[in-house]
Amino acid sequence: ETGVTQTPRHLVMGMTNKKSLKCEQHLGHNAMYWYKQSAKKPLELMFVYSLEERVENNSVPSRFSPECPNSSHLFLHLHTLQPEDSALYLCASSHGQGGYNEQFFGPGTRLTVL
Amino acid sequence: AQKVTQAQTEISVVEKEDVTLDCVYETRDTTYYLFWYKQPPSGELVFLIRRNSFDEQNEISGRYSWNFQKSTSSFNFTITASQVVDSAVYFCALSEAASNTGKLIFGQGTTLQVKP
Repeated sequence: ETGVTQTPRHLVMGMTNKKSLKCEQHLGHNAMYWYKQSAKKPLELMFVYSLEERVENNSVPSRFSPECPNSSHLFLHLHTLQPEDSALYLCASSHGQGGYNEQFFGPGTRLTVL
Repeated sequence: AQKVTQAQTEISVVEKEDVTLDCVYETRDTTYYLFWYKQPPSGELVFLIRRNSFDEQNEISGRYSWNFQKSTSSFNFTITASQVVDSAVYFCALSEAASNTGKLIFGQGTTLQVKP
């Protein structure tokens, strides 16, 4: 596989469920990102990992818990979500974490919270 | 504060028309980077171009061209002879050199519909 992959592509969960989103990059990058894309709102950065260390948490509620076990994989663990958390969750990676580096995005996970 | 504004929410054109997507940005940093991404219906954002704040040369790539003007804080994107495959949401984004996390500030996006 090439590029950035995300699974699942679609997820429906209840507010009491626990689920995880997975992202994998095959580009040899060392920085990974989670973004949230809601209807009518700009993409919002959630978390940044560089060399498996979290370097930014953009005031994200604790019901979202990221995990980066190695530079190729990034997870977003979800628990007790709210309906307003329904959105497209996009993962991205880049070669280095500086502002110069373009980010390569996965296709996203479309999350619906009932 | 950093901000990116794409005032055009939706644009509809007929195939072969030229179309310009506007982008205005705000930043206090003297070194910054501007990006355009395309989001087709499949969902993933596709990188189109990056410009740094020191390079105001306009760029052309096939039917795509970009006009960067620091004086007006604008980074507009023109598609010449549009095609149906150009239909997508287009995002302009800003990254500041002072941010060591590569944080991208996105505009709201412009939905472009090209009709046959």
